[in-house]
Amino acid sequence: GAGVSQTPSNKVTEKGKYVELRCDPISGHTALYWYRQSLGQGPEFLIYFQGTGAADDSGLPNDRFFAVRPEGSVSTLKIQRTERGDSAVYLCASSLVGSGVADTQYFGPGTRLTVL
Amino acid sequence: GNSVTQMEGPVTLSEEAFLTINCTYTATGYPSLFWYVQYPGEGLQLLLKATKADDKGSNKGFEATYRKETTSFHLEKGSVQVSDSAVYFCALSGHDNFNKFYFGSGTKLNVKP
Repeated sequence: GAGVSQTPSNKVTEKGKYVELRCDPISGHTALYWYRQSLGQGPEFLIYFQGTGAADDSGLPNDRFFAVRPEGSVSTLKIQRTERGDSAVYLCASSLVGSGVADTQYFGPGTRLTVL
Repeated sequence: GNSVTQMEGPVTLSEEAFLTINCTYTATGYPSLFWYVQYPGEGLQLLLKATKADDKGSNKGFEATYRKETTSFHLEKGSVQVSDSAVYFCALSGHDNFNKFYFGSGTKLNVKP
């Protein structure tokens, strides 16, 4: 079946602009995660959704970052007033349940964001 | 807090050599441990996992044993192939929050024919 998909695959923007990154999880997965991966580093947790609600947003770096999942499926990560330091690969993952013993998280290919 | 430390790369081996990539962790309680692999141009894929002490995860000839006494989860493979060339990430999820994964910085493996 289809895996996690993310669009766009690449996004170049200018400092100060607003961007939206989209994630389409595996059908039937109730849990959805966003991570950020800087060059040469491992992914860093940003936020986790269980259904439509953000169950844990402790990894969002500041209030310029916001994510939604209005219908419990597709999610959008929104970054306001982008800064050069926001440049990274943004990864989305989904899992079947998201509770109890750690579920396997299935990752999308990522969106590479470059802020000029 | 929770964290993962893995050996720096790149690691360069000849085909059929033995592979070890070290991973140690810091966590409270009993975390679950994972190895993910990222092949060139592809997304992260789960390679193997272990959810309790002394468990051994295995897949595609790779193995890792959850050692609580040494807080380690080293990845091993007896005979690597060129197709194993990739970046390998060790990760944990804490017992207090299964859904938040902590990743190491990754180890790049290059296997030469």
